[in-house]
Amino acid sequence: DAGITQSPRHKVTETGTPVTLRCHQTENHRYMYWYRQDPGHGLRLIHYSYGVKDTDKGEVSDGYSVSRSKTEDFLLTLESATSSQTSVYFCAISEGLAGESYNEQFFGPGTRLTVL
Amino acid sequence: QKEVEQNSGPLSVPEGAIASLNCTYSDRVSQSFFWYRQYSGKSPELIMSIYSNGDKEDGRFTAQLNKASQYVSLLIRDSQPSDSATYLCAVNLTRDDKIIFGKGTRLHILP
Repeated sequence: DAGITQSPRHKVTETGTPVTLRCHQTENHRYMYWYRQDPGHGLRLIHYSYGVKDTDKGEVSDGYSVSRSKTEDFLLTLESATSSQTSVYFCAISEGLAGESYNEQFFGPGTRLTVL
Repeated sequence: QKEVEQNSGPLSVPEGAIASLNCTYSDRVSQSFFWYRQYSGKSPELIMSIYSNGDKEDGRFTAQLNKASQYVSLLIRDSQPSDSATYLCAVNLTRDDKIIFGKGTRLHILP
């Protein structure tokens, strides 16, 4: 994950506060993804992006929004954090559908978010 | 509901033996199949990708795909204690940009 960074790596916040997580890549990959990982649920897709300003919802998108104004940055925002959003958040990148390695996703180091 | 199923384990295997991890999926049109390794507290790491029926070998790892039976497996030969981790199966279930992850199998290599 040398080409993918996430910030912050750890965050503790209170219910009702807004939170923004940042994913930054240096690989110039077209696709970027936000997942959350929880015990008993595995990795679940929140939102993804297939280009600058092009985003779509995943299976657990309620309470989250995203933005991608540059190829290298993908932001995940919790408008009003709730305790149910306490989780580990992973960003992933992918070149996309073209080529022999299509759909391969590579993960960032993760952000551990605690909402009190 | 499109799903990817894995046995949660833990699967205990003696050092030096072959570890066999299995995964089934629900969608017959799936095109891409992946195995990730995740150490505790770390992010998932891609270790194998497979796209066509049969076996694909990479070092001590072999991925096996059978689309007719809708399963994909991962074999780890000469298992080492460093192979102890959770292994995630992931499948592209439709012709789109998303993949679905199984909940993972915990593998424990016994020294």
